[in-house]
Amino acid sequence: GNSVTQMEGPVTLSEEAFLTINCTYTATGYPSLFWYVQYPGEGLQLLLKATKADDKGSNKGFEATYRKETTSFHLEKGSVQVSDSAVYFCAFMNRDDKIIFGKGTRLHILP
Amino acid sequence: GAGVSQSPSNKVTEKGKDVELRCDPISGHTALYWYRQRLGQGLEFLIYFQGNSAPDKSGLPSDRFSAERTGESVSTLTIQRTQQEDSAVYLCASSRGVLAGVDTQYFGPGTRLTVL
Repeated sequence: GNSVTQMEGPVTLSEEAFLTINCTYTATGYPSLFWYVQYPGEGLQLLLKATKADDKGSNKGFEATYRKETTSFHLEKGSVQVSDSAVYFCAFMNRDDKIIFGKGTRLHILP
Repeated sequence: GAGVSQSPSNKVTEKGKDVELRCDPISGHTALYWYRQRLGQGLEFLIYFQGNSAPDKSGLPSDRFSAERTGESVSTLTIQRTQQEDSAVYLCASSRGVLAGVDTQYFGPGTRLTVL
């Protein structure tokens, strides 16, 4: 069935380190792919998205590329900051508009 | 078993009518969230409850939207004088968390609202 698998956390990095959070999906057809972020004390908010193969979503220095051949949408950032500490959710949405979330990856950035 | 449940699963209403959407969180979860997902778009945060209080109402799109939670359990999202742009899937989630952003959110199946 449809599912999203993302790397388990918590992930702890030092400031200015390179970040990768892996995400792979199982879905029929050509879903839209999303990364959401939840900062402490807040609700989920959309970080970036990609709607077709080879699209790259980007926002706030984060990037993710829609790789259809590997059914992946890995989140990357070249130099993380303490303010990036949050929980990150990978998700996809099929044509039925039902959104499927991964379990979330908690990220801690140390100063 | 006890996941997050929402009712109704589908609601069709006429423009100008009021609707109430219900969310039953997982028992013992203190945090409860409402989101909206419009056709072809990502999730949009609406409101968050910690216990029965809502520290963050900033996501409510207009004063036609309100939400309440009682007994640290059931929550109701009310939309007054519905408009066609309110058509969306409304998702509820709950988490154990005292502090949002720490605990995993568990999502309900959603209520699909269609305003004619």
